[in-house]
Amino acid sequence: GIQVEQSPPDLILQEGANSTLRCNFSDSVNNLQWFHQNPWGQLINLFYIPSGTKQNGRLSATTVATERYSLLYISSSQTTDSGVYFCTPGANNLFFGTGTRLTVIP
Amino acid sequence: GAVVSQHPSWVICKSGTSVKIECRSLDFQATTMFWYRQFPKQSLMLMATSNEGSKATYEQGVEKDKFLINHASLTLSTLTVTSAHPEDSSFYICSAIDMNTEAFFGQGTRLTVV
Repeated sequence: GIQVEQSPPDLILQEGANSTLRCNFSDSVNNLQWFHQNPWGQLINLFYIPSGTKQNGRLSATTVATERYSLLYISSSQTTDSGVYFCTPGANNLFFGTGTRLTVIP
Repeated sequence: GAVVSQHPSWVICKSGTSVKIECRSLDFQATTMFWYRQFPKQSLMLMATSNEGSKATYEQGVEKDKFLINHASLTLSTLTVTSAHPEDSSFYICSAIDMNTEAFFGQGTRLTVV
């Protein structure tokens, strides 16, 4: 399967700060998604982004498929952004990396 | 986005009994669904891929006789944990793929075997 590396593994931010999360993957893909797993375990879809750049409010994502990485930007972070962020490449089998655990403190 | 409903959200059962977890795609047809298991503070581990009308494909190390998967319709897949033991206690999550190959996840089921 495709290997997924996410960095950093843990991140602590002061409320209002900005951050960039990175996802590297080992093979070319035609599908990549970002998810946020909240403290209750629910996985929330953030972006479906095989390539290019998308923005949704304070969040944006960029995937450079030819270089096998994707970035998730969080601006003006809020405490509700806390949780684990996963990227998953590939359509037929969604393999997960270890994620980035974000803690936003007031 | 599309909605995937998973039921129950949590269940406690006695050792030796079986537990069935349902995963439904509410507003789209899903020919493929996935089942995952997640231990505390760890990532999601893919257990099996469920295709409508055919046998599930299990990942290496997952006992197919222990974790029975049925995908009888385009909107419903079930996972049955048979003869559950305390080591089966975990968080189980399903996902379904829509026609655009975007995945949506259920709320998850927290299973505790006592």
